[in-house]
Amino acid sequence: GAGVSQSPSNKVTEKGKDVELRCDPISGHTALYWYRQSLGQGLEFLIYFQGNSAPDKSGLPSDRFSAERTGGSVSTLTIQRTQQEDSAVYLCASSSRTSGDYSSTDTQYFGPGTRLTVL
Amino acid sequence: SQQGEEDPQALSIQEGENATMNCSYKTSINNLQWYRQNSGRGLVHLILIRSNEREKHSGRLRVTLDTSKKSSSLLITASRAADTASYFCATVHQAGTALIFGKGTTLSVSS
Repeated sequence: GAGVSQSPSNKVTEKGKDVELRCDPISGHTALYWYRQSLGQGLEFLIYFQGNSAPDKSGLPSDRFSAERTGGSVSTLTIQRTQQEDSAVYLCASSSRTSGDYSSTDTQYFGPGTRLTVL
Repeated sequence: SQQGEEDPQALSIQEGENATMNCSYKTSINNLQWYRQNSGRGLVHLILIRSNEREKHSGRLRVTLDTSKKSSSLLITASRAADTASYFCATVHQAGTALIFGKGTTLSVSS
């Protein structure tokens, strides 16, 4: 089956514009994660979705960042009024982890990422 | 904030040699995972070791975990040019969900 896919692969935008990044997780995976990777900060967790539960938004850096997951599958990460420091590779991952199952293995499968450049 | 710290930051070796990368972390964990990343894009899961395990093997990979020292090591034996990549350790907190990554080790294997 297909892995995690992300679109677009590259996005160049002007400062102040809004952008939407899309993630298609592996079919049947209930857990979906967004991370970003930048030179200065390394790999950072942004947000986590688990089934129909309220998402864990603890990693979002500001209220300009939001994400939704429709129908428990596809997710969209939206960045409003982009700033140059938002430039990074945004990575999506999914896993078969179930809610509250802290003792389970949690292999996360990553997509190829979206490289965002804010001019 | 980042949980893990890899050591060394960069490693250059010849094909056939072994490569050892170390990772230290700060808080109690559920498991520790190693990932590989080529060309700054998607991460590939290599191996997972649970907190109650001390050593695990997968092909040419050997991972150890010392929870008393809060450290792990990844050994790649008989390295190949194709092993050239960045390697990251990532931990899952006992009460956490997301992966917390270290800054990575950049491995360069020359033929």
